[in-house]
Amino acid sequence: DIQMTQSPASLSASLEEIVTITCKASQGIDDYLSWYQQKPGKSPQLLIYDATSLADGVPSRFSGSRSGTQYSLKISRPQVDDSGIYYCLQSYSTPYTFGAGTKLELK
Amino acid sequence: EVQLQESGPGLVKPSQSLSLTCSVTGYSITSSYRWNWIRKFPGNKLEWMGYINSAGSTNYNPSLKSRISITRDTSKNQFFLQVNSVTTEDTATYYCARLSWDWFAYWGQGTLVTVSS
Repeated sequence: DIQMTQSPASLSASLEEIVTITCKASQGIDDYLSWYQQKPGKSPQLLIYDATSLADGVPSRFSGSRSGTQYSLKISRPQVDDSGIYYCLQSYSTPYTFGAGTKLELK
Repeated sequence: EVQLQESGPGLVKPSQSLSLTCSVTGYSITSSYRWNWIRKFPGNKLEWMGYINSAGSTNYNPSLKSRISITRDTSKNQFFLQVNSVTTEDTATYYCARLSWDWFAYWGQGTLVTVSS
């Protein structure tokens, strides 16, 4: 199985910061990497697909990048509404695997 | 608009089977894509369980392979999850979701299943 090591586990950030969440894949996944945001009581919502492509309707303050087998989600000047849990997912090979999640709190 | 909705019992006894239905509207499950079950455990871990594709072939997570079955009813545009011999470790919120190429763009709202006697 491909392991996705996500960090940090939790994060408290101000509205003026740039927030960065990373996922390191245990092997190459050819950019089959997507990012999701989940709020309490809701299903995960797609933010980024194919590592760098912004999903429809997602604000441009969200962006994705890759360096080697490490993938990053960046939120520039986050809003209070961006609080929630963020997950990465590799869909390069089955079993598809998620990162452990990052809980983001905005202060 | 594509919509998915899970339904099924919210409480299952240990050693029994868990059975859930995902009803899909706005797209035929026989047209394309992979139709998945995913669960979220208390503590926030997400686990991909398996899928059935538009041709009816299945792919399961090896961690569950001996206990899981995903089937479908094309006449009702529904697909189903069955997990046998459940334990308290199977307590989770269960989601159905469509894999569009290689990302999950459409999810159901989720249904909580508690395994308890």
